[in-house]
Amino acid sequence: SAVISQKPSRDICQRGTSLTIQCQVDSQVTMMFWYRQQPGQSLTLIATANQGSEATYESGFVIDKFPISRPNLTFSTLTVSNMSPEDSSIYLCSEKRDSGNYGYTFGSGTRLTVV
Amino acid sequence: GNSVTQMEGPVTLSEEAFLTINCTYTATGYPSLFWYVQYPGEGLQLLLKATKADDKGSNKGFEATYRKETTSFHLEKGSVQVSDSAVYFCALSEGTSYGKLTFGQGTILTVHP
Repeated sequence: SAVISQKPSRDICQRGTSLTIQCQVDSQVTMMFWYRQQPGQSLTLIATANQGSEATYESGFVIDKFPISRPNLTFSTLTVSNMSPEDSSIYLCSEKRDSGNYGYTFGSGTRLTVV
Repeated sequence: GNSVTQMEGPVTLSEEAFLTINCTYTATGYPSLFWYVQYPGEGLQLLLKATKADDKGSNKGFEATYRKETTSFHLEKGSVQVSDSAVYFCALSEGTSYGKLTFGQGTILTVHP
């Protein structure tokens, strides 16, 4: 199965600032996904990131707030912009490949606290 | 749209007890079904999966069978251990949703010695 390295693992940020989260996959993948897990809640998809095209955002999420980059097939970043305490969550990246028949692999998550 | 419903928790069991966590789904096509586990302070790990009707996924003593007729994918384990304490998520992926996962709300399991 794939290995995803996600960093930072946690951060405490001041409101109004931005944080960029990075995910590195150990081999090339077509699709990467970014999820948010609010405290005590399930995972909600923020956007799908494909290499060479703009990310596709889910309802309730916008590019100005959560800009995503996907410069190549092994790397993606999610930025949480102009943060408020409501952005305090765990953010997780995930990957899906074209070949194989297996479950999606997740990064270890970034635990963000906004103060 | 797609949706996943899990039994409400938290679930508290004694060690060696039998575990069932119910999961039902709604999907427009023919989904693949997954159970993920999240241990305290960690990310999600795939526990098991099934990709078509009547498939049984199994791993680490856990099992779940894809039941198309009842649109269910209940998680079971015959004898739980303290180390099984975690949050369990049922999820589906359906072709027309371009690969993204839809998650249930999660079930917290606590196993006491």
